Amino acid sequence: EDKVVQSPLSLVVHEGDTVTLNCSYEVTNFRSLLWYKQEKKAPTFLFMLTSSGIEKKSGRLSSILDKKELFSILNITATQTGDSAVYLCAVPGGATNKLIFGTGTLLAVQP
Amino acid sequence: NAGVTQTPKFRVLKTGQSMTLLCAQDMNHEYMYWYRQDPGMGLRLIHYSVGEGTTAKGEVPDGYNVSRLKKQNFLLGLESAAPSQTSVYFCASSLGGSPAKDGYTFGSGTRLTVV
Repeated sequence: EDKVVQSPLSLVVHEGDTVTLNCSYEVTNFRSLLWYKQEKKAPTFLFMLTSSGIEKKSGRLSSILDKKELFSILNITATQTGDSAVYLCAVPGGATNKLIFGTGTLLAVQP
Repeated sequence: NAGVTQTPKFRVLKTGQSMTLLCAQDMNHEYMYWYRQDPGMGLRLIHYSVGEGTTAKGEVPDGYNVSRLKKQNFLLGLESAAPSQTSVYFCASSLGGSPAKDGYTFGSGTRLTVV
């Protein structure tokens, strides 16, 4: 059965810290891996990764994929309180080939 | 540009009542999806549609029905609500079947409580 597993489930840090969020996956016919940020409401798109070893970067956020070891990490440097959110990882898979989501990592950044 | 709009935003139902959740998108996307989000379970696909007039079952379709009579609208129905259907429901859309470079676009969610 295709699945996506995220760790840790939750994390509390202080402003200025650097955090690493993990996502491992098991899917047949891997195509891509996506990261989303979810604050109070709708998940918003962060990155899509398709190739191993190529870092995607947006400001203080960056992500990289390892297709051999079947995982991705999302790094956030110099965290701010506005980074507090649930971070979701998703991979197309399953019988429908639609996005399968992990349970998310709840990040809380304290002032 | 409204994107994906869900109505209502909140609803409380009694067990056995019925209701319809409406999702509307103005991006001319072909694909639309309904997910539910529960604590510790992540987002799970209920039903989806690959175009006007088509629907298909997702991971957790039992107790729900859907319709896509118009390309821009995707309706999710609960015929006889049960407490297990208490959840936050998200609608999403995409241009094609595989996530494009910017993934799915999500609505802001409907929080449904069944008592």
